[in-house]
Amino acid sequence: ILNVEQSPQSLHVQEGDSTNFTCSFPSSNFYALHWYRWETAKSPEALFVMTLNGDEKKKGRISATLNTKEGYSYLYIKGSQPEDSATYLCAPLNTGFQKLVFGTGTRLLVSP
Amino acid sequence: KAGVTQTPRYLIKTRGQQVTLSCSPISGHRSVSWYQQTPGQGLQFLFEYFSETQRNKGNFPGRFSGRQFSNSRSEMNVSTLELGDSALYLCASSPRGSNTGELFFGEGSRLTVL
Repeated sequence: ILNVEQSPQSLHVQEGDSTNFTCSFPSSNFYALHWYRWETAKSPEALFVMTLNGDEKKKGRISATLNTKEGYSYLYIKGSQPEDSATYLCAPLNTGFQKLVFGTGTRLLVSP
Repeated sequence: KAGVTQTPRYLIKTRGQQVTLSCSPISGHRSVSWYQQTPGQGLQFLFEYFSETQRNKGNFPGRFSGRQFSNSRSEMNVSTLELGDSALYLCASSPRGSNTGELFFGEGSRLTVL
């Protein structure tokens, strides 16, 4: 079983705050890491797919970094807005399991 | 381009019954994966189909089964329903498989077992 941990479980910030969350996963046999955003009553939506150690990806105010040697990824949101309120899921893929294993997510609430 | 469509969106069943959920992937996508989400749990992988063949299977009992048709549409079936099967079932499609790129999710089918 692939152990994926996301922290914190939930986070409440004020509009304009910057925030970050962590996804930890086994570093052995790493292949790729996915990040998804899941807004209430909608379907999960892909943010990033990362494969290379040291990779940094950015989409608007959201960015992510990847460290495959130590098995973690950070997701950053700069200047949080209420529309950023969602659950953020990470899912590593390794060559052993051949399927995405999702963490339980970080639930972000941004208050105006 | 239409997204992933899941039907029905909501359903209520009683213990012992069976249920069939349907998923229509994005046109051109040949892979369909199914996930179960229960409160406090992450998305739990059920199975993945690619070109009508089951490519991978999660740790669920044999009561959970699925199939994929030649047009890539997929169905999953749960027989002899138990209370613990109450969950949101999500399907996701991708062009060539979950190990090659991002997944595109449907909005899910919420099953309540009474």
